[in-house]
Amino acid sequence: DTEVTQTPKHLVMGMTNKKSLKCEQHMGHRAMYWYKQKAKKPPELMFVYSYEKLSINESVPSRFSPECPNSSLLNLHLHALQPEDSALYLCASSRAGGLGNSPLHFGNGTRLTVT
Amino acid sequence: GIQVEQSPPDLILQEGANSTLRCNFSDSVNNLQWFHQNPWGQLINLFYIPSGTKQNGRLSATTVATERYSLLYISSSQTTDSGVYFCAVVGLDYQLIWGAGTKLIIKP
Repeated sequence: DTEVTQTPKHLVMGMTNKKSLKCEQHMGHRAMYWYKQKAKKPPELMFVYSYEKLSINESVPSRFSPECPNSSLLNLHLHALQPEDSALYLCASSRAGGLGNSPLHFGNGTRLTVT
Repeated sequence: GIQVEQSPPDLILQEGANSTLRCNFSDSVNNLQWFHQNPWGQLINLFYIPSGTKQNGRLSATTVATERYSLLYISSSQTTDSGVYFCAVVGLDYQLIWGAGTKLIIKP
């Protein structure tokens, strides 16, 4: 079992819908990440939160809006998505506040389909 | 930026066989991580290995930072080892760069 929990596991939404992806970790990690993964490709970094502050935004369109309510929770709010946004969305966490300083731990992901 | 190349891209083996996966990188790195993604999408961190050798059961990894490569060894393969193996390196600018992965299929 993964120590990073993501909900929902699957999500189908229309282009006019608003939905949210949720991620939770209780390992005391201070860095949390959102990745997007298309089929047969490695994960692509979207956002990094370090000590609950947004530290990296990889030029992600504004229809994706991250939120970090506290050190254990990370949300990704979705609005007006396009079919090409369909992908596996992965949340990850790490001990230190920055990329690469400690191992990444991933959740099981949310498979998103935009119709 | 740093280039990460993994080989082979695809590997098909019978259960019980041993395998070696390779990750080459083009510049100095702060560290390197190996991941296994199973067919259901779950991504597991196998090793955090900037240099040296580590072992975990049937899996072991060696990183030779001075020669810019890392190897992942899988012994006595099982069908549950199937999936995609990624290596990811962290460059001096602390960006995480992923390889394209090696897709491993273990046949019973």
